[in-house]
Amino acid sequence: QVQLVESGGGVVQPGRSLRLSCEASGFTFSSYGIHWVRQVPGKGLEWVAVIWYDGNNKYYADSVKGRFTISRDNSKNTLYLQMSRLSAEDTGLYHCARDRDRMAEGPYYFDDWGQGTLVTVSS
Amino acid sequence: IQLTQSPSSLSASVGDRVTITCRASQGISRALAWYQQIPGKAPTLLIYDASNLEGGVPSRFSGRGSGTDFTLTITRLQPEDLATYYCQQFSTYPLTFGGGTKVEIK
Repeated sequence: QVQLVESGGGVVQPGRSLRLSCEASGFTFSSYGIHWVRQVPGKGLEWVAVIWYDGNNKYYADSVKGRFTISRDNSKNTLYLQMSRLSAEDTGLYHCARDRDRMAEGPYYFDDWGQGTLVTVSS
Repeated sequence: IQLTQSPSSLSASVGDRVTITCRASQGISRALAWYQQIPGKAPTLLIYDASNLEGGVPSRFSGRGSGTDFTLTITRLQPEDLATYYCQQFSTYPLTFGGGTKVEIK
């Protein structure tokens, strides 16, 4: 079955960088757009970024644009999120989530989510 | 596009009919999805394209609306429906979520 497993979270000081990974299995990774969605514990959901199935299109939330970079390695079935210039507002549980349909082009919605990796930005 | 959900929380009895509203700051046609997040779990997709029920989702869940006003209805509320519900628009980037509605069981 579809599995998405995030890793790379931890405690990091403000202004520093961190790279998250999302390892996928159970489906043809290269055929699906994948997103990062974050959630402050006890609070709501915030979409962060998406990379289309072909890797040629990437979109970001205004709050992370210019600081975060989404990428994928289809040979490793892995999604990444490189985060730089981190601030306390970036603290949260970071989920990766898959587009519901193959080769979706354009804004979409998600059918499978990972359990998330926790990022805490604190001095 | 901002999504405003109401109410932010509600308490209802088993068997009740529950309706959650999601209002978009501009028209999004039917580009709306609903998710359920059970405490401690990742969200799961309930409804897409405003009214299409995702496979495996109980038929007591239904969605309606288009343009700016949308509803999620749970008929005959069950104990396992204790969760927070979110709407999400996919009309344009950046994708956005509503603030969530926490459903509690009396």
